[in-house]
Amino acid sequence: QKEVEQNSGPLSVPEGAIASLNCTYSDRGSQSFFWYRQYSGKSPELIMFIYSNGDKEDGRFTAQLNKASQYVSLLIRDSQPSDSATYLCAVKGGGSQGNLIFGKGTKLSVKP
Amino acid sequence: DGGITQSPKYLFRKEGQNVTLSCEQNLNHDAMYWYRQDPGQGLRLIYYSQIVNDFQKGDIAEGYSVSREKKESFPLTVTSAQKNPTAFYLCASSTRQGGDYGYTFGSGTRLTVV
Repeated sequence: QKEVEQNSGPLSVPEGAIASLNCTYSDRGSQSFFWYRQYSGKSPELIMFIYSNGDKEDGRFTAQLNKASQYVSLLIRDSQPSDSATYLCAVKGGGSQGNLIFGKGTKLSVKP
Repeated sequence: DGGITQSPKYLFRKEGQNVTLSCEQNLNHDAMYWYRQDPGQGLRLIYYSQIVNDFQKGDIAEGYSVSREKKESFPLTVTSAQKNPTAFYLCASSTRQGGDYGYTFGSGTRLTVV
């Protein structure tokens, strides 16, 4: 059973701080990794994806991937109250037809 | 604008009734998916389709049925056999590569049994 694990939180950080969200996965053949943001009552929206080991930056967001340790993380710099949401980690399984496997999400709360 | 549309936004079902949730996309995506999300839970895959006239069961297909007669459309029927259908239902689509570029989600349908 391929699994994606996330700490459910809630993770609470003060406004302006760095929020660090972590995710581990079980399938060593996984190739593609995604972070989705889901506001309460809304659908998930893709905010970052990463394919290679290392860091990928996009504005205030940085995705980090370590395939040897099978973890992927998302850093949010200068956190804002509007970043308060649940963040879902998704991993594409090995093979050309592998579906995305989603973690249960980490709830982030940014306090003003 | 390209996107994926789910309707209705809210749906109420009586006991023993079948209901159909609509999902339409104009992104020219080959693959489409249905997920169920319960409060505090992750996304659970119900059915998926990689090509027209073909679909596969996901992890929780019992009590649900789908069809894929057109590339743009992937309706989900919640049958009376689904004993606990109250949930948030999400439709998604992706390129044929099985999500190499991630999934695009619709806005969801919230189904409640009354």
